[in-house]
Amino acid sequence: AQKITQTQPGMFVQEKEAVTLDCTYDTSDPSYGLFWYKQPSSGEMIFLIYQGSYDQQNATEGRYSLNFQKARKSANLVISASQLGDSAMYFCAMFRFGNEKLTFGTGTRLTIIP
Amino acid sequence: DAMVIQNPRYQVTQFGKPVTLSCSQTLNHNVMYWYQQKSSQAPKLLFHYYDKDFNNEADTPDNFQSRRPNTSFCFLDIRSPGLGDAAMYLCATSSVAGPNTEAFFGQGTRLTVV
Repeated sequence: AQKITQTQPGMFVQEKEAVTLDCTYDTSDPSYGLFWYKQPSSGEMIFLIYQGSYDQQNATEGRYSLNFQKARKSANLVISASQLGDSAMYFCAMFRFGNEKLTFGTGTRLTIIP
Repeated sequence: DAMVIQNPRYQVTQFGKPVTLSCSQTLNHNVMYWYQQKSSQAPKLLFHYYDKDFNNEADTPDNFQSRRPNTSFCFLDIRSPGLGDAAMYLCATSSVAGPNTEAFFGQGTRLTVV
């Protein structure tokens, strides 16, 4: 069974600083995908970034980058130059090819301080 | 240009009265998911469809049913809602293209049981 672990229940970061949100996963499958989503207080789940297990390079999307360390089974999200609007819950999720399940970690609540 | 649309955004239902939540997509994705998310928790997968193949999670109560009449639409039926079923219900879709995938969510339906 696949398991996603986010060890930081909450983080406080000064505006304009970079922030790293941790995610580790456990799977024996060779083929999988890793997602990060942002969930503001409105409740919608907003896609941020995706990394495939066979991707050689770390994914980047604007201010978001994914620090993918396959041997360590970690997929940390890095947000550069944080903004007040980045305050939200952040979820790491793993997609399993074969049964197409998308499983979530417990999330990290990020608060950006002015 | 919403790609995954959930209706309604807010639903109030009476204890024990059947309720149906709907989800539609314009992405032509072959996988559709229903998640239940309670306050400050991770989304919990209830079931998912791969095309017409239905995949129920082992711990999903029988009170929850789903229908997918075609690629674009998927419904969540709660036969006899209890107070414990009050939650945010999230619909998501995904597709598999080679070694990668994408997955998007609707805005969610917040269910209140009175």
